[in-house]
Amino acid sequence: EAGVAQSPRYKIIEKRQSVAFWCNPISGHATLYWYQQILGQGPKLLIQFQNNGVVDDSQLPKDRFSAERLKGVDSTLKIQPAKLEDSAVYLCASSFQTGSNTGELFFGEGSRLTVL
Amino acid sequence: SQQGEEDPQALSIQEGENATMNCSYKTSINNLQWYRQNSGRGLVHLILIRSNEREKHSGRLRVTLDTSKKSSSLLITASRAADTASYFCAATDSWGKLQFGAGTQVVVTP
Repeated sequence: EAGVAQSPRYKIIEKRQSVAFWCNPISGHATLYWYQQILGQGPKLLIQFQNNGVVDDSQLPKDRFSAERLKGVDSTLKIQPAKLEDSAVYLCASSFQTGSNTGELFFGEGSRLTVL
Repeated sequence: SQQGEEDPQALSIQEGENATMNCSYKTSINNLQWYRQNSGRGLVHLILIRSNEREKHSGRLRVTLDTSKKSSSLLITASRAADTASYFCAATDSWGKLQFGAGTQVVVTP
């Protein structure tokens, strides 16, 4: 079974530029998550999708971050314009179960963003 | 805000010793999960304990959950150098939202 795929693995941009990250979850997984992990910290939830609907985006900085999950499968996370503090690893995860039955999350390898 | 908070932040032990780390959370949960992260990699699920369970084992891992104290512990027995990693707890609410703590960095020296 293929795992969660993310791209690109690494990205370096100047501040105020834009960047997009792509995630392909495990086939059949209804729930998709984007987490931001700053060096030395735990993952922070940015947005949670169930199929193509948003369950939680309370911690997504909506003035610069946007995310979509077209057709309830792949997802894209965009940052525009980027700030220095956006330097982090962006982790995508998916889960087969939903809501109160949510169990194990499967994570991708992450996309490491450096903003100069 | 982060739901889980791990203690200690860092742990250094020798091979063969046991490693214990604790996690506290703030609100009611459906389950609590532990994950491991090797440097530069994604997180890997280790074990899940449901809110109505008190203890669970998986290989060299033992997890306890005390919902009255809103706390959990992870014990790794007979540690190996390959156990060197960061360990995170994640509290799952009824919406399936997982919030992670800051993690415990474990170093196992041969």
